[in-house]
Amino acid sequence: DQQVKQNSPSLSVQEGRISILNCDYTNSMFDYFLWYKKYPAEGPTFLISISSIKDKNEDGRFTVFLNKSAKHLSLHIVPSQPGDSAVYFCAASDGSGNQFYFGTGTSLTVIP
Amino acid sequence: GAGVSQSPRYKVAKRGQDVALRCDPISGHVSLFWYQQALGQGPEFLTYFQNEAQLDKSGLPSDRFFAERPEGSVSTLKIQRTQQEDSAVYLCASSLDRQGGYTFGSGTRLTVV
Repeated sequence: DQQVKQNSPSLSVQEGRISILNCDYTNSMFDYFLWYKKYPAEGPTFLISISSIKDKNEDGRFTVFLNKSAKHLSLHIVPSQPGDSAVYFCAASDGSGNQFYFGTGTSLTVIP
Repeated sequence: GAGVSQSPRYKVAKRGQDVALRCDPISGHVSLFWYQQALGQGPEFLTYFQNEAQLDKSGLPSDRFFAERPEGSVSTLKIQRTQQEDSAVYLCASSLDRQGGYTFGSGTRLTVV
């Protein structure tokens, strides 16, 4: 029973353009969301977070949008760079903070 | 240390063998988590420690899995009588609080043959 879903296993984007990675969740109790980036043979690296009291959080080239009514969040990367090529995971927590539920990841390739 | 350190990076075990995976969290991080990541999947929660107390072990798949953190720093995940389905990357993470997210280690890739 996958509570966090990333329906696009892969995405290719031209350098300089916008990358949009999507994530859907089913549990309405989730109130905190994270995006992680993972390179091969490394552990996931924390990228950006958003709390359910907000609908947008921005950090440099990375912006996360949260639509609570649709149970949907997205990560926008503008402009995309070749070094952004990695697998991106979204994760959600229900407030207990004890665990995060992860999606299956989207592999982003930024073409120079 | 500067990051979360896990050892060994790779482990090959024969079916039925016991294994022990080590995690050195970031100094001062009270929360420590173990996750299992199968090929092509996202990380799945195994267990959570706050200091030396194991507060949640609901994700451990069977009683062959055991985790400890006796002094509230280093943690060991032990898998007894390994099975082929235990093959995965085992990730350890530590955190100060939820807002900062986790800091993950590089993981231990376990292959059971």
